[in-house]
Amino acid sequence: DVKVTQSSRYLVKRTGEKVFLECVQDMDHENMFWYRQDPGLGLRLIYFSYDVKMKEKGDIPEGYSVSREKKERFSLILESASTNQTSMYLCASSSSRERKYFGPGTRLTVT
Amino acid sequence: ELKVEQNPLFLSMQEGKNYTIYCNYSTTSDRLYWYRQDPGKSLESLFVLLSNGAVKQEGRLMASLDTKARLSTLHITAAVHDLSATYFCAVDPIQGAQKLVFGQGTRLTINP
Repeated sequence: DVKVTQSSRYLVKRTGEKVFLECVQDMDHENMFWYRQDPGLGLRLIYFSYDVKMKEKGDIPEGYSVSREKKERFSLILESASTNQTSMYLCASSSSRERKYFGPGTRLTVT
Repeated sequence: ELKVEQNPLFLSMQEGKNYTIYCNYSTTSDRLYWYRQDPGKSLESLFVLLSNGAVKQEGRLMASLDTKARLSTLHITAAVHDLSATYFCAVDPIQGAQKLVFGQGTRLTINP
């Protein structure tokens, strides 16, 4: 079974803090994604990566950056957290165009 | 810009009844996904529909795709309480790009 894990299920940070969200997959997938989920808006793509050290912006990249130094790990970074970044963050991985496998999610609250 | 719209957004139904969730999208695509999400949980893949006319069924759920109408449906037959969840459709607009665009989700509640 594909396993996608995220470093934290719940996280509370203060405005202005630097926040790291980590995602690890164990199926040697080339592709990894970060989404945020907000009520009524569905899931929106923040960044994705096709390969190590490669990244592309999604639909809402502002205020975020990413890092992919190893194939199995994809990190989302909030350089200076703001309250409008309070959300559920979901990581996903996939191989080619097949179904994506999602992690359990991190519910981030910025106060 | 690709838009994906689901309706209804909220659905409350009785056990044993049939119902359909609709997913419309605005640009050409040959690949559509359905996911299920339980409260507080992540997304679980249900179906991948790969071509026009594709139909897939698992248990009481059946999904179909009409690429000409840009419409997918998720049909629930003889609903049971365990199917209560939020259902998302997602469209892959460009071959190879994998930038899935999700609908808003349909929150389904099935009452005994």
